[in-house]
Amino acid sequence: DQQVKQNSPSLSVQEGRISILNCDYTNSMFDYFLWYKKYPAEGPTFLISISSIKDKNEDGRFTVFLNKSAKHLSLHIVPSQPGDSAVYFCAAMNYGGATNKLIFGTGTLLAVQP
Amino acid sequence: DTAVSQTPKYLVTQMGNDKSIKCEQNLGHDTMYWYKQDSKKFLKIMFSYNNKELIINETVPNRFSPKSPDKAHLNLHINSLELGDSAVYFCASSQDLITSYEQYFGPGTRLTVT
Repeated sequence: DQQVKQNSPSLSVQEGRISILNCDYTNSMFDYFLWYKKYPAEGPTFLISISSIKDKNEDGRFTVFLNKSAKHLSLHIVPSQPGDSAVYFCAAMNYGGATNKLIFGTGTLLAVQP
Repeated sequence: DTAVSQTPKYLVTQMGNDKSIKCEQNLGHDTMYWYKQDSKKFLKIMFSYNNKELIINETVPNRFSPKSPDKAHLNLHINSLELGDSAVYFCASSQDLITSYEQYFGPGTRLTVT
């Protein structure tokens, strides 16, 4: 049962343009959402998060939007840079639950073309 | 001064063997995790420990046994290896359970069972 879904396995964007990565979830108990970034041969690194009490969180070039009614979140990267090329994982959790377990999506490979 | 380190990075072994993967973090974190990323790129939690106490034990075969000798170490021992155990195994840590949304991952151990 895949509770967090990233339906686009890959995305290619020109340098300087906007990258939009999408994520859907099914579990209405999730109340905290995150994006992790992963380079080849490295572990994922935390990028940005958002609580379900917000609909937007911004950190520099990265903005995460949350649409609770649609159970959808997206990560916007503006402007995209070649160094942003990586796999981006969406993750969700029931914060404050018994285990605070992270549930990850399968990732989207972003390629930013110079 | 790697924050979360894993050894070995690569492990090739035959079915039926027993192997261990070691993980160490020098961040002073209380909570540590093991994840498995299979061929479909799903990154799934296997175990978590908080202050050496088992918190999460997903539906993992009991051939997998985590051991936490102290807060800085969480090792994974696997008995009677099977072909389906081939995957990349990631260790991670977080400050504590409350901040489990921000996890620091090791570089991964690619296990290949032949």
